[in-house]
Amino acid sequence: EVQLVESGGGLVQPGGSLRLSCATSGFIFSTGWMSWVRQAPGKGLEWVANIKEDGSVKNHVDSVKGRFTISRDNAKNSLYLQMNSLRAEDTAVYYCVRGGTNFAQWGQGTLVTVSS
Amino acid sequence: QSALTQPPSASGSPGQSVTISCTGTSSDVGGYNYVSWYQQHPGKAPKLMIYEVSKRPSGVPDRFSGSKSGNTASLTVSGLQAEDEADYYCNSYAGSNNVFGTGTKVTVL
Repeated sequence: EVQLVESGGGLVQPGGSLRLSCATSGFIFSTGWMSWVRQAPGKGLEWVANIKEDGSVKNHVDSVKGRFTISRDNAKNSLYLQMNSLRAEDTAVYYCVRGGTNFAQWGQGTLVTVSS
Repeated sequence: QSALTQPPSASGSPGQSVTISCTGTSSDVGGYNYVSWYQQHPGKAPKLMIYEVSKRPSGVPDRFSGSKSGNTASLTVSGLQAEDEADYYCNSYAGSNNVFGTGTKVTVL
């Protein structure tokens, strides 16, 4: 059974940093793209970033470029999202997703709240 | 990277069909056959229903079908059932990026 378990969310002040982690199991993590997708409270889905299986290609949505960085550790079957210079508009549930364009499986999400 | 345009709501009676549109541009929907659709029930994670315009993952009922014409993709749910009431989002590859639709709430009357 495929499992994606996010952690690292919480309350952070504007300008602060957080690192989200996603532990995966049930599939060969090192052979496929992975993504982060977020959803602000009561709003729609927004693609945030994706990363190629070997980490050599990373893409980020314009609104987070220069502030967020996606990364992965294939030895640990884990995906990460380093979030710096956080803003109120980054408040959302962040989902770890298997796939780079076809988002086949999703974690349960972790809530990030940016507020003073 | 503007969101793809979907109608805010759609509805139908049990057994009827409902079709949701997803309009983009030649830089996303019209330029690639990488349109996917997701179903999201309240408080739950989204679920992949259609990928690459018209392909169904294993386990998704064949009541769900997808198509594309030009810059507009569509999801049709035939034989509506109560459990189909949910939010639906389209997504398209947009040349190294991805863009989601604005979302459509489907109500089963």
